[in-house]
Amino acid sequence: EPEVTQTPSHQVTQMGQEVILRCVPISNHLYFYWYRQILGQKVEFLVSFYNNEISEKSEIFDDQFSVERPDGSNFTLKIRSTKLEDSAMYFCASSDVTGLSASEQYFGPGTRLTVT
Amino acid sequence: AQRVTQPEKLLSVFKGAPVELKCNYSYSGSPELFWYVQYSRQRLQLLLRHISRESIKGFTADLNKGETSFHLKKPFAQEEDSAMYYCALEIQGAQKLVFGQGTRLTINP
Repeated sequence: EPEVTQTPSHQVTQMGQEVILRCVPISNHLYFYWYRQILGQKVEFLVSFYNNEISEKSEIFDDQFSVERPDGSNFTLKIRSTKLEDSAMYFCASSDVTGLSASEQYFGPGTRLTVT
Repeated sequence: AQRVTQPEKLLSVFKGAPVELKCNYSYSGSPELFWYVQYSRQRLQLLLRHISRESIKGFTADLNKGETSFHLKKPFAQEEDSAMYYCALEIQGAQKLVFGQGTRLTINP
């Protein structure tokens, strides 16, 4: 069964550094998402992406964040200048349809980002 | 504002006992609700969605619009049901899920 994959599984970085989190969505999916979960808190939506552009973003997704689909398979989340409060588990997800009916989002295993 | 509330962070029941995980939502639109489950060291995966009206692994959930609830139930818990359970609301037209805090369910032998 196809799965969403994410790399790396754990990333440690220093405050102020740029990080890129990578995701390979399921191949025939058209909608891509990033969520994050700070330790002990709920899973929060960051951004959705369709047809090579952002379709929705949360207030968390400020100018420090960007997403890109650099080729036909990868979907990346970049944080330009990391802060301590960016430490969290970041989940990528993808789905094949949305908007018309309740569509299943398939989640990756997550990347744990630790900012020191 | 859209919100999902799972009042119990932890729930512990004995094997064979009934289980109910509570979920309440606040949403002005027509709700599309899901239950996601995360077993130990595994990824988040869909357990069931309300429009399917199906039973998965013995779990069911009924949408009650009057009470704005979508509680997850199973009549006889099994040890393999131990996991983290998240209730989620899909925001129509926004392509996003709003999650509850999650409930850690532990089934004792």
